Parts: sequence; C-alpha cells; structure tokens
Amino acid sequence: GAVVSQHPSRVICKSGTSVKIECRSLDFQATTMFWYRQFPKKSLMLMATSNEGSKATYEQGVEKDKFLINHASLTLSTLTVTSAHPEDSSFYICSASPGGLSNQPQHFGDGTRLSIL
Amino acid sequence: AQSVTQPDIHITVSEGASLELRCNYSYGATPYLFWYVQSPGQGLQLLLKYFSGDTLVQGIKGFEAEFKRSQSSFNLRKPSVHWSDAAEYFCAVMDNYGQNFVFGPGTRLSVLP
Repeated sequence: GAVVSQHPSRVICKSGTSVKIECRSLDFQATTMFWYRQFPKKSLMLMATSNEGSKATYEQGVEKDKFLINHASLTLSTLTVTSAHPEDSSFYICSASPGGLSNQPQHFGDGTRLSIL
Repeated sequence: AQSVTQPDIHITVSEGASLELRCNYSYGATPYLFWYVQSPGQGLQLLLKYFSGDTLVQGIKGFEAEFKRSQSSFNLRKPSVHWSDAAEYFCAVMDNYGQNFVFGPGTRLSVLP
C-alpha cells in the first residue's frame, strides 16, 4: 500500500536553531501534502496545505515565516521551523494525498517529535 | 465545511468487554469517513474507512464501524477489547473531492486488566 515517510522521527535542539522535517511519498505522486501539529493529549491541528510547485496555504494563526513549507517535487515536502523556541516543541505529522477525486484517504507519516531546549 | 465531534474524551473499559466509540459529523452530503488509532508517541494508523456501499465496515484488529446517515454518525465498535487497544482514537471526515480532511478531537481509551 501507499506509504509516507517522515524524517526525522525525533529531534532535540537548542533554542534559536532551525529544524527541517521531511515528508516523502514513497510509491505515489503527492499532488498535495498537509502538515499537522499535535499538542499533548490533543487532536491534530492542520497547519498548512502545500501543492507541488506553488506556495503553501496556511491556516489562520499559523505564522508562515515561522513555519516554512517547500513542496519542490511530487514526492517531497519539507517543513522548516525557523529560530525554534520551546513553545514550538510539539509532535508534527505530515500527510500526502494524490489529490483530486481520489478514492484514497490521506496517508500519514509517523510523525516527528520536536523538543526545543 | 465539514466538522466532526467525538462526545467522549476518555473511556475506560475492562479487558474482554465490548467497546463503542462515538463519532458524529456535519456535512451537506455523504462524506468519506475514517477511524484512526494513535498509540502514545506514534503516528496514525488507519483502522477502517467508509466511502459508499455497505454501511457496516470491517477494519483491522477486529474493529468495525457503522455509518448511519439518519444520525450523522460513524461509531466504532469492537466486541472484545484487548489491553493493546489502549490508545487514542480519532474519527475523521473528508469531503467528496478528496480534500479538507478534518479530525475529531479524539477519544482516549484505557483498558483495565
């Protein structure tokens, strides 16, 4: 079946550094990729939607300059948390979809646990 | 836009007991419906999905869900719960265009030995 790979699975870094998270669709072309953030014991919150070759669409309240999204190819999207601070610590999950009138649900990566010291 | 509610934040059942997790949705047409399970610190695993056809859907790990249009519900059931079923369960709805995937708030399941 379709698989989405997310890397890294866990990252710990100092405050002020930038962190890049990769999301790859392994056996299908992902026209659309989604980035979610999950706070402890909470549901997933959609941060942004990215379409290959165009700018990402951010949800209300999500800082686009803080969370940079690049969807450079049909199999790769990256989320960069710039100048990360402790409040950015969270669980980030990506999802990929073939898009359009698809008969398949979004496919999810295994998530990245980001801890900012 | 569609929305999803899961009325129960936390449910505790004894191992071997039956389970039903509730999910209600709001959408103008018949949406695509999903149930996911998330173990602590892990990603999401798809349990089952409903697109059309038979309203009783069988999934993995012995789970099933029934779509009831009249009640706008898609409740998840399992006849006998195992300790390994303890996790967070999310109901989700997607529009008919394959986009706008919305999660419910989740229900945490605890299983007593």
